[in-house]
Amino acid sequence: QQQVKQSPQSLIVQKGGISIINCAYENTAFDYFPWYQQFPGKGPALLIAIRPDVSEKKEGRFTISFNKSAKQFSLHIMDSQPGDSATYFCAASYASGTYKYIFGTGTRLKVLA
Amino acid sequence: DTGVSQNPRHKITKRGQNVTFRCDPISEHNRLYWYRQTLGQGPEFLTYFQNEAQLEKSRLLSDRFSAERPKGSFSTLEIQRTEQGDSAMYLCASSLPGDANSGGKLFFGSGTQLSVL
Repeated sequence: QQQVKQSPQSLIVQKGGISIINCAYENTAFDYFPWYQQFPGKGPALLIAIRPDVSEKKEGRFTISFNKSAKQFSLHIMDSQPGDSATYFCAASYASGTYKYIFGTGTRLKVLA
Repeated sequence: DTGVSQNPRHKITKRGQNVTFRCDPISEHNRLYWYRQTLGQGPEFLTYFQNEAQLEKSRLLSDRFSAERPKGSFSTLEIQRTEQGDSAMYLCASSLPGDANSGGKLFFGSGTQLSVL
């Protein structure tokens, strides 16, 4: 019940295309859902986050779509660029308390020039 | 202050040796976390400090692992009698207490890559 399932494991997108990464969770007590971007040799960096009281959040080219009833959320990267090539992790946590994040297994994105 | 700092960046050790890693969080952050990340996986929570108090430990943190945060500033993670299964990236993160809007954003360091031979 603590797991966050992420798909696909890897993704190849042409420059200018849309990258879509999906995550699903079981624990309805989760109430904070961030996405992190990680480049090789670096720690994860917060990209965008959403709370379950909204269905969509957009920041620049990055959008989170959230479906509370289905317990699913997804990251959309519009106009994907080669510089977006990285590993993306979804996560879930409780907004109160320790903020202990449960991470998905990651999606390796490659954007072709 | 430019972010969370971790030292060393890489550590190679022989099985059975003890190792210690250091994390310097963002200065005003009172919360500090240790995570472990193995190849192809997401980070896994190990332990969490609020100021100098260690408030939660994962079952992943065996008794060979110990973490401290004296005076609520930097933190150390020690692994005694290392095993090959300990090989991983050890990530430190820090945050301010979250609020109803932010949920507590975690800022990660670049990690310490441990290789146990």
